[in-house]
Amino acid sequence: DQQVKQNSPSLSVQEGRISILNCDYTNSMFDYFLWYKKYPAEGPTFLISISSIKDKNEDGRFTVFLNKSAKHLSLHIVPSQPGDSAVYFCAAKSGGGADGLTFGKGTHLIIQP
Amino acid sequence: KAGVTQTPRYLIKTRGQQVTLSCSPISGHRSVSWYQQTPGQGLQFLFEYFSETQRNKGNFPGRFSGRQFSNSRSEMNVSTLELGDSALYLCASSLRGSANEKLFFGSGTQLSVL
Repeated sequence: DQQVKQNSPSLSVQEGRISILNCDYTNSMFDYFLWYKKYPAEGPTFLISISSIKDKNEDGRFTVFLNKSAKHLSLHIVPSQPGDSAVYFCAAKSGGGADGLTFGKGTHLIIQP
Repeated sequence: KAGVTQTPRYLIKTRGQQVTLSCSPISGHRSVSWYQQTPGQGLQFLFEYFSETQRNKGNFPGRFSGRQFSNSRSEMNVSTLELGDSALYLCASSLRGSANEKLFFGSGTQLSVL
């Protein structure tokens, strides 16, 4: 039973355009959400996070939106750059701190020149 | 500041053997978590250690175990290896492992079971 779902295994976007990566979750206890980026042969790198008390968080070219009623979050990258080509993982956590992150299966973002 | 260091980088074992993987967290980080990444299941939480104590455990059989030392370094052990244990094992550290902390990941140990 997948509690965090990334329904697009891959996404191709032209350089300079907006990349939108989507993530859905089913566990209403999740209250902290993160996006990680992963290059081949490397560990995931933290990108941006959002707490459930917010609906938007911005950091440079990256913005994460959270829609709690729809149990949906999205990552926007504007403008997309070639170095953004990587696998992006959505992850969620419930309160208490000791629980591990629950990850989606990832979306492979390919930025076309 | 050095990042999370995992050794070895690659490992090949045969079914039935056991394996020990090592993780050195970022200096000052006391929480260490382990994750398994496979193509079919994605990243799955194995367990988390804080101050030498296992605080939480994911849904994995007892063949998977771990420990943490007083210097926060951690090891995980897999006994009686099965083909399905072939995966990338990732270690992550954070200061306290509290709710809103981000995890810093190592590059992982790629385990192949033949």
